Amino acid sequence: NAGVMQNPRHLVRRRGQEARLRCSPMKGHSHVYWYRQLPEEGLKFMVYLQKENIIDESGMPKERFSAEFPKEGPSILRIQQVVRGDSAAYFCASSPGHAGNNEKLFFGSGTQLSVL
Amino acid sequence: QKEVEQNSGPLSVPEGAIASLNCTYSDRGSQSFFWYRQYSGKSPELIMFIYSNGDKEDGRFTAQLNKASQYVSLLIRDSQPSDSATYLCAVNPSAGLTFGKGTHLIIQP
Repeated sequence: NAGVMQNPRHLVRRRGQEARLRCSPMKGHSHVYWYRQLPEEGLKFMVYLQKENIIDESGMPKERFSAEFPKEGPSILRIQQVVRGDSAAYFCASSPGHAGNNEKLFFGSGTQLSVL
Repeated sequence: QKEVEQNSGPLSVPEGAIASLNCTYSDRGSQSFFWYRQYSGKSPELIMFIYSNGDKEDGRFTAQLNKASQYVSLLIRDSQPSDSATYLCAVNPSAGLTFGKGTHLIIQP
Protein backbone atom coordinates (compact mmCIF):
# COMPACT_ATOMS: atom_id res chain seq x y z
CA ASN A 1 0.00 0.00 0.00
CA ALA A 2 1.92 2.99 -1.32
CA GLY A 3 2.16 6.07 0.85
CA VAL A 4 1.78 9.68 -0.20
CA MET A 5 3.90 10.19 -3.31
CA GLN A 6 5.44 13.53 -4.15
CA ASN A 7 7.57 14.50 -7.10
CA PRO A 8 9.98 15.80 -7.93
CA ARG A 9 12.06 15.28 -4.79
CA HIS A 10 14.21 18.28 -5.65
CA LEU A 11 13.34 21.14 -7.99
CA VAL A 12 15.63 23.95 -9.04
CA ARG A 13 14.21 27.02 -10.74
CA ARG A 14 15.53 30.42 -11.70
CA ARG A 15 13.74 33.55 -10.60
CA GLY A 16 10.71 34.20 -12.75
CA GLN A 17 10.18 30.59 -13.81
CA GLU A 18 7.23 28.40 -12.84
CA ALA A 19 7.35 25.54 -10.37
CA ARG A 20 4.93 22.62 -10.43
CA LEU A 21 4.84 20.24 -7.51
CA ARG A 22 2.86 17.01 -7.67
CA CYS A 23 1.24 14.91 -4.98
CA SER A 24 -0.59 11.60 -5.20
CA PRO A 25 -2.44 10.78 -1.97
CA MET A 26 -2.45 7.40 -0.27
CA LYS A 27 -4.80 4.86 -1.75
CA GLY A 28 -8.29 5.46 -0.42
CA HIS A 29 -7.55 9.03 0.65
CA SER A 30 -9.53 11.81 -0.97
CA HIS A 31 -8.30 14.78 1.08
CA VAL A 32 -5.03 16.53 0.32
CA TYR A 33 -3.18 19.24 2.23
CA TRP A 34 -0.15 21.28 1.23
CA TYR A 35 2.32 22.66 3.76
CA ARG A 36 5.47 24.75 3.43
CA GLN A 37 8.45 24.44 5.76
CA LEU A 38 11.32 26.89 5.99
CA PRO A 39 14.59 25.97 7.78
CA GLU A 40 14.17 25.96 11.57
CA GLU A 41 10.46 26.72 11.11
CA GLY A 42 7.38 24.63 11.65
CA LEU A 43 5.03 23.46 8.95
CA LYS A 44 2.79 26.22 7.64
CA PHE A 45 -0.60 25.22 6.28
CA MET A 46 -1.24 26.42 2.75
CA VAL A 47 -4.30 24.75 1.26
CA TYR A 48 -6.74 21.89 1.77
CA LEU A 49 -8.38 20.20 -1.22
CA GLN A 50 -10.78 17.44 -2.01
CA LYS A 51 -11.28 16.05 -5.48
CA GLU A 52 -12.11 18.98 -7.78
CA ASN A 53 -12.67 21.35 -4.84
CA ILE A 54 -10.60 23.77 -2.81
CA ILE A 55 -11.93 23.56 0.74
CA ASP A 56 -9.62 25.98 2.56
CA GLU A 57 -6.91 28.14 0.99
CA SER A 58 -6.45 30.51 3.89
CA GLY A 59 -2.71 29.81 4.03
CA MET A 60 -2.01 30.41 0.36
CA PRO A 61 -0.32 33.65 -0.70
CA LYS A 62 -2.82 35.71 -2.69
CA GLU A 63 -0.60 35.98 -5.76
CA ARG A 64 1.44 33.52 -7.82
CA PHE A 65 0.32 30.42 -5.90
CA SER A 66 -2.46 28.07 -6.95
CA ALA A 67 -3.47 24.50 -6.26
CA GLU A 68 -5.74 21.95 -7.81
CA PHE A 69 -6.80 18.37 -7.27
CA PRO A 70 -8.48 17.17 -10.47
CA LYS A 71 -10.85 14.25 -10.76
CA GLU A 72 -8.08 12.23 -12.37
CA GLY A 73 -4.41 12.55 -11.53
CA PRO A 74 -2.35 14.07 -8.75
CA SER A 75 -2.81 17.28 -6.85
CA ILE A 76 -0.68 20.10 -8.25
CA LEU A 77 0.77 23.06 -6.37
CA ARG A 78 1.79 25.70 -8.88
CA ILE A 79 4.03 28.66 -8.18
CA GLN A 80 4.33 31.22 -10.93
CA GLN A 81 7.23 33.66 -11.33
CA VAL A 82 9.17 32.17 -8.45
CA VAL A 83 11.29 34.36 -6.20
CA ARG A 84 14.12 33.39 -3.86
CA GLY A 85 11.78 33.60 -0.88
CA ASP A 86 9.81 30.68 -2.30
CA SER A 87 12.76 28.36 -1.60
CA ALA A 88 11.49 25.87 0.97
CA ALA A 89 10.41 22.29 1.50
CA TYR A 90 6.84 21.72 0.34
CA PHE A 91 5.05 18.80 1.94
CA CYS A 92 1.84 17.19 0.87
CA ALA A 93 -0.32 15.19 3.26
CA SER A 94 -3.45 13.15 2.79
CA SER A 95 -6.25 11.79 4.94
CA PRO A 96 -9.20 9.51 4.26
CA GLY A 97 -11.72 12.00 5.59
CA HIS A 98 -12.13 15.57 6.70
CA ALA A 99 -9.35 16.63 9.07
CA GLY A 100 -11.92 18.23 11.33
CA ASN A 101 -13.20 14.77 12.20
CA ASN A 102 -10.05 13.70 14.05
CA GLU A 103 -8.56 12.28 10.88
CA LYS A 104 -4.83 11.67 10.88
CA LEU A 105 -2.64 13.22 8.21
CA PHE A 106 0.07 11.23 6.50
CA PHE A 107 2.90 13.08 4.80
CA GLY A 108 4.82 12.58 1.59
CA SER A 109 8.60 12.90 1.31
CA GLY A 110 8.33 16.52 0.26
CA THR A 111 9.71 18.58 -2.61
CA GLN A 112 12.69 20.80 -1.89
CA LEU A 113 12.36 23.87 -4.08
CA SER A 114 15.47 25.95 -4.65
CA VAL A 115 15.20 29.24 -6.49
CA LEU A 116 18.44 30.59 -7.94
CA GLN B 1 -4.76 33.74 15.49
CA LYS B 2 -4.53 30.01 16.17
CA GLU B 3 -1.15 29.24 17.69
CA VAL B 4 0.75 26.22 18.90
CA GLU B 5 3.77 26.91 21.07
CA GLN B 6 6.72 24.64 21.74
CA ASN B 7 10.12 25.19 23.28
CA SER B 8 12.53 24.92 20.35
CA GLY B 9 15.31 23.39 22.48
CA PRO B 10 17.60 21.68 21.97
CA LEU B 11 16.49 19.38 24.76
CA SER B 12 19.32 17.07 25.75
CA VAL B 13 18.46 13.83 27.58
CA PRO B 14 20.75 10.95 28.56
CA GLU B 15 20.13 7.59 26.96
CA GLY B 16 17.69 5.51 28.99
CA ALA B 17 16.09 8.51 30.70
CA ILE B 18 12.60 9.95 30.16
CA ALA B 19 12.28 12.76 27.63
CA SER B 20 9.42 15.19 28.28
CA LEU B 21 8.17 17.42 25.47
CA ASN B 22 5.56 20.10 26.02
CA CYS B 23 3.14 22.05 23.87
CA THR B 24 0.47 24.70 24.48
CA TYR B 25 -2.26 25.81 22.11
CA SER B 26 -4.47 28.86 21.92
CA ASP B 27 -7.71 27.64 20.32
CA ARG B 28 -10.03 26.21 22.99
CA GLY B 29 -12.15 24.66 20.26
CA SER B 30 -9.38 22.24 19.27
CA GLN B 31 -10.52 18.66 19.37
CA SER B 32 -7.61 16.49 18.33
CA PHE B 33 -3.91 16.59 19.06
CA PHE B 34 -0.99 14.93 17.35
CA TRP B 35 2.72 14.41 17.79
CA TYR B 36 4.90 14.02 14.74
CA ARG B 37 8.58 13.11 14.63
CA GLN B 38 10.77 14.62 11.92
CA TYR B 39 14.33 13.60 11.24
CA SER B 40 16.54 16.16 9.54
CA GLY B 41 15.74 16.35 5.84
CA LYS B 42 12.84 13.91 6.14
CA SER B 43 9.07 14.17 6.25
CA PRO B 44 7.00 14.29 9.45
CA GLU B 45 5.95 10.90 10.77
CA LEU B 46 2.89 10.50 12.99
CA ILE B 47 3.79 8.84 16.29
CA MET B 48 0.92 9.65 18.68
CA PHE B 49 -2.54 11.15 18.69
CA ILE B 50 -4.91 11.93 21.54
CA TYR B 51 -8.47 13.24 21.61
CA SER B 52 -9.54 13.01 25.28
CA ASN B 53 -8.20 14.44 28.50
CA GLY B 54 -5.76 12.19 30.31
CA ASP B 55 -2.97 9.88 29.25
CA LYS B 56 -2.59 7.62 26.25
CA GLU B 57 0.23 5.11 26.11
CA ASP B 58 1.73 3.36 23.10
CA GLY B 59 4.93 1.44 23.72
CA ARG B 60 7.58 3.82 25.01
CA PHE B 61 5.44 6.86 24.19
CA THR B 62 2.80 8.51 26.38
CA ALA B 63 0.73 11.48 25.27
CA GLN B 64 -0.93 13.62 27.92
CA LEU B 65 -3.74 16.08 27.29
CA ASN B 66 -5.20 18.73 29.58
CA LYS B 67 -7.83 20.74 27.71
CA ALA B 68 -8.55 23.02 30.66
CA SER B 69 -4.92 24.16 30.66
CA GLN B 70 -4.64 23.89 26.85
CA TYR B 71 -1.57 21.74 27.27
CA VAL B 72 -0.32 18.62 25.51
CA SER B 73 2.81 16.68 26.32
CA LEU B 74 4.74 13.71 25.03
CA LEU B 75 6.82 11.45 27.24
CA ILE B 76 9.40 9.10 25.77
CA ARG B 77 10.57 6.41 28.17
CA ASP B 78 13.90 4.60 27.92
CA SER B 79 15.16 7.17 25.42
CA GLN B 80 17.33 5.83 22.60
CA PRO B 81 19.79 7.68 20.35
CA SER B 82 17.40 6.92 17.47
CA ASP B 83 14.82 9.12 19.21
CA SER B 84 16.98 12.16 18.43
CA ALA B 85 14.82 14.24 16.11
CA THR B 86 12.53 17.25 16.02
CA TYR B 87 9.12 16.61 17.57
CA LEU B 88 6.22 18.60 16.17
CA CYS B 89 3.03 19.17 18.11
CA ALA B 90 -0.04 19.60 15.91
CA VAL B 91 -3.54 20.71 16.79
CA ASN B 92 -6.69 20.40 14.76
CA PRO B 93 -9.13 23.24 15.37
CA SER B 94 -10.61 23.00 11.89
CA ALA B 95 -9.49 21.99 8.42
CA GLY B 96 -5.85 21.01 8.28
CA LEU B 97 -3.46 20.94 11.20
CA THR B 98 -1.73 23.82 12.93
CA PHE B 99 1.83 22.91 13.84
CA GLY B 100 4.23 24.22 16.42
CA LYS B 101 7.79 24.96 15.35
CA GLY B 102 8.98 21.78 17.01
CA THR B 103 11.35 20.78 19.80
CA HIS B 104 14.77 19.48 18.84
CA LEU B 105 15.51 16.46 21.04
CA ILE B 106 19.02 15.07 21.46
CA ILE B 107 19.55 11.74 23.21
CA GLN B 108 23.08 11.51 24.53
CA PRO B 109 24.61 7.98 24.39
